Amino acid sequence: DVKVTQSSRYLVKRTGEKVFLECVQDMDHENMFWYRQDPGLGLRLIYFSYDVKMKEKGDIPEGYSVSREKKERFSLILESASTNQTSMYLCASSFLGQSSGANVLTFGAGSRLTVL
Amino acid sequence: SQQGEEDPQALSIQEGENATMNCSYKTSINNLQWYRQNSGRGLVHLILIRSNEREKHSGRLRVTLDTSKKSSSLLITASRAADTASYFCATASAFNFGNEKLTFGTGTRLTIIP
Repeated sequence: DVKVTQSSRYLVKRTGEKVFLECVQDMDHENMFWYRQDPGLGLRLIYFSYDVKMKEKGDIPEGYSVSREKKERFSLILESASTNQTSMYLCASSFLGQSSGANVLTFGAGSRLTVL
Repeated sequence: SQQGEEDPQALSIQEGENATMNCSYKTSINNLQWYRQNSGRGLVHLILIRSNEREKHSGRLRVTLDTSKKSSSLLITASRAADTASYFCATASAFNFGNEKLTFGTGTRLTIIP
């Protein structure tokens, strides 16, 4: 069973702390994504990566950075956490050209981050 | 910027009835996808319709796409209590290196009343 695993389901951090959210996929997918989900705003794309060491800004990259040193791992970094970064963070991966011939995402279970 | 907007934001129906959700978007797309999310969990892909298709079926799901109106609908027939979830449309647009970028809407919260 293919999987996207997010290392933490729940995190509580303090303002100003550096936060790492880890995501690992076992499907040999090239593409990986980080979204944040907030009530009434749906999912918003933070960063994505189409290959190792590649990264592209999404719609709301401010306050975040990412790292992709290995194909299976995509990390989201909050350099200095702020209260407005309290949210559900969702990682996803995909392989363009799979049977549907399109970019279909497989999601992790999510990481709920609270910044105090 | 948000691409897809779902309508209604919330929907409650009796078990056995049909549920219809709508999605509107703003720019040209390669395909449109629907995802489901159970409370507090990640999203699961349901169905994909390409820009040159008008209708697609999968089990109890029926999706339509009208590119001239930039809109799509998801119909769930003979609803069950287990269909209670949030449903999101996602539009796929071309991006670098022959890849696609998915942009999600705000979702419809569906509640099936037993």
